[in-house]
Amino acid sequence: QVQLVESGGGVVQPGRSLRLSCAASGRTFSSYGMHWVRQAPGKGLEWVAAISHDGSNKYHADSVKGRFTISRDNSKNTLYLQMNSLRVEDTAVYYCAKGGGGGGYHFDCWGQGTLVTVSS
Amino acid sequence: QAGLTQPPSVSKALRQTATLTCTGNSNNVGNQGAAWLQQHQGHPPKLLSDRNNKRPSGISERFSASRSGNIASLTITGLQPEDEADYYCSAWDTSLSAWVFGGGTKLTVL
Repeated sequence: QVQLVESGGGVVQPGRSLRLSCAASGRTFSSYGMHWVRQAPGKGLEWVAAISHDGSNKYHADSVKGRFTISRDNSKNTLYLQMNSLRVEDTAVYYCAKGGGGGGYHFDCWGQGTLVTVSS
Repeated sequence: QAGLTQPPSVSKALRQTATLTCTGNSNNVGNQGAAWLQQHQGHPPKLLSDRNNKRPSGISERFSASRSGNIASLTITGLQPEDEADYYCSAWDTSLSAWVFGGGTKLTVL
């Protein structure tokens, strides 16, 4: 069983940067991919980015491409999301979720989320 | 990125059966299948069925997923009050090299 805990959210001004972290425990972190998914207040889920188990493949949604970067440090069992040039519309709860591999399924485990508020 | 299409709301009576739909295209649902997630207000989503229509351990047999062409479906039998939630579908899109989500269906159990 995998446990995921996000951190790093907060209030930030438009144009500034923020880095989110997701600490994983349980099943071997380096055996599965990971996702970031966000949910704006009162809205649906929006996939943000994904990374393969070893970090060699990364994918980003068009809405964040060129501004956000997903990465991971398997030695620290931690997933990251570097968010630059933040916009008001990036305001959301950001979830990390387990990806495929390691004997499980995509999206079979989620963290509790961390709130990012972009406001002047 | 174009998402998947889900009806915004569905209402069904207690103990009845609800079927939720998710419409995509040949680049996503049609050849990759769709996963289904349930989200209760204030909680993170929970996977009900993966894109190969398999239920993770611990998910009730009342939830079953299927696909016909570019349309994925989630059937919930014997509706219970706790089934009232938002339901999302998601699929990998091979042309976008991205995951896409549906807008979600709010299920009300009357």
